[in-house]
Amino acid sequence: NAGVTQTPKFRVLKTGQSMTLLCAQDMNHEYMYWYRQDPGMGLRLIHYSVGEGTTAKGEVPDGYNVSRLKKQNFLLGLESAAPSQTSVYFCASSYPGLGDYEQFFGPGTRLTVL
Amino acid sequence: AQSVTQLGSHVSVSEGALVLLRCNYSSSVPPYLFWYVQYPNQGLQLLLKYTSAATLVKGINGFEAEFKKSETSFHLTKPSAHMSDAAEYFCAVSLRDDKIIFGKGTRLHILP
Repeated sequence: NAGVTQTPKFRVLKTGQSMTLLCAQDMNHEYMYWYRQDPGMGLRLIHYSVGEGTTAKGEVPDGYNVSRLKKQNFLLGLESAAPSQTSVYFCASSYPGLGDYEQFFGPGTRLTVL
Repeated sequence: AQSVTQLGSHVSVSEGALVLLRCNYSSSVPPYLFWYVQYPNQGLQLLLKYTSAATLVKGINGFEAEFKKSETSFHLTKPSAHMSDAAEYFCAVSLRDDKIIFGKGTRLHILP
């Protein structure tokens, strides 16, 4: 199993450009999450999904959109990138049937917005 | 509301010394608690978890943590630090719903 994978690993954008980050998991997990990590801030939840076709806002959703058209994929979109969105983005997934809500993380995408 | 506080954004210990990383939580219901480790330029990896079974939880790489309800704490320890333990450590709490709340992290430095 590959676990949780993220594409791309690195990206540089100019202000105002758009892009989509792809997260894929092969563990048949129901729940998927997008976080951003900034120095001294820990991980902050952007959006999450509790099943195919569902999405919900997290702690810092502004400027981002998400879609979960297939159970194994969770897309994070930036419609008009801003320098404040420079960050490392992590995707995670979990299976509530395990009974403990442990989250499994991808390797991250480092995004720089100039 | 649930929250997690990690005391000390940076902790330095000498190689071979005791590692102690502190975590306190607030929760209105019995929590599930986690410690994750992040090595440089990598994602988060589960170190150990407490899910209301034994209060002393053993994890990977010789780490363990003790759940103390009266102190609302879940401190992470390792008897003898190794250079390879240098990383950032995150404590996290789940109220058994669909989200986990993470602390801000503690970066562990190992001194030779």
